[in-house]
Amino acid sequence: QVQLQESGPGLVKPSETLSLTCTVSGSSISSDYWGWVRQPPGKGLEWIGYIYYSGSTNYNPSLKSRVSISIDTSKNQFSLDLRSVTAADTALYYCARTAGGTFDYWGQGILVTVSS
Amino acid sequence: QSALTQPASVSGSPGQSITISCTGSSSDVGAYNYVSWYQLHPGKAPKLMIYDVTNRPSGVSNRFSGSKSGNTAALTISGLQAEDEADYYCSSYTSTNTPYVFGTGTEVTVL
Repeated sequence: QVQLQESGPGLVKPSETLSLTCTVSGSSISSDYWGWVRQPPGKGLEWIGYIYYSGSTNYNPSLKSRVSISIDTSKNQFSLDLRSVTAADTALYYCARTAGGTFDYWGQGILVTVSS
Repeated sequence: QSALTQPASVSGSPGQSITISCTGSSSDVGAYNYVSWYQLHPGKAPKLMIYDVTNRPSGVSNRFSGSKSGNTAALTISGLQAEDEADYYCSSYTSTNTPYVFGTGTEVTVL
């Protein structure tokens, strides 16, 4: 059974960097695509980006200038960095495995609030 | 890339069938058979219910079925049960500069 678990701070100050890690169990991260999706309070889902185990990435153009996704195969983890955050980045952040055209396994999400 | 359009809410009585639509364009839903449906319960990991328009992952009840016609996909839940009360989102692969787009989400209420 593939399981994903997000971790990181739940509160980030405006203009700082939001950093989250996703730990994968039940599957080697050295295959497939691994990505991030977020959901602002009361709003819909937004795709942030993904990384392939080889390190190649693809990001949502609306966030591309501020986002980085990295992978650590030795720890079976991948991470999200979102720079220069504002209140608009307050959201529930999910990590997910991307398989073809779908997201087949998800973490339960972590709420990150941007506030001073 | 605009979000796919879903009804904000759909409701039904136990045992009834309901259908949730997901309308996109010829750049996403109409272009690929890569439409998926997810069930979201608060505090739980989103669950994949349908992928590639019509396929059910192992363990998902056969009360859930998917279809597509042109630029509109649909999720049908038959034999509605209390446990089906949740938010549902569709997603599609796209040919635009954003490879994935989600729907606006539908709240399903079991009366």
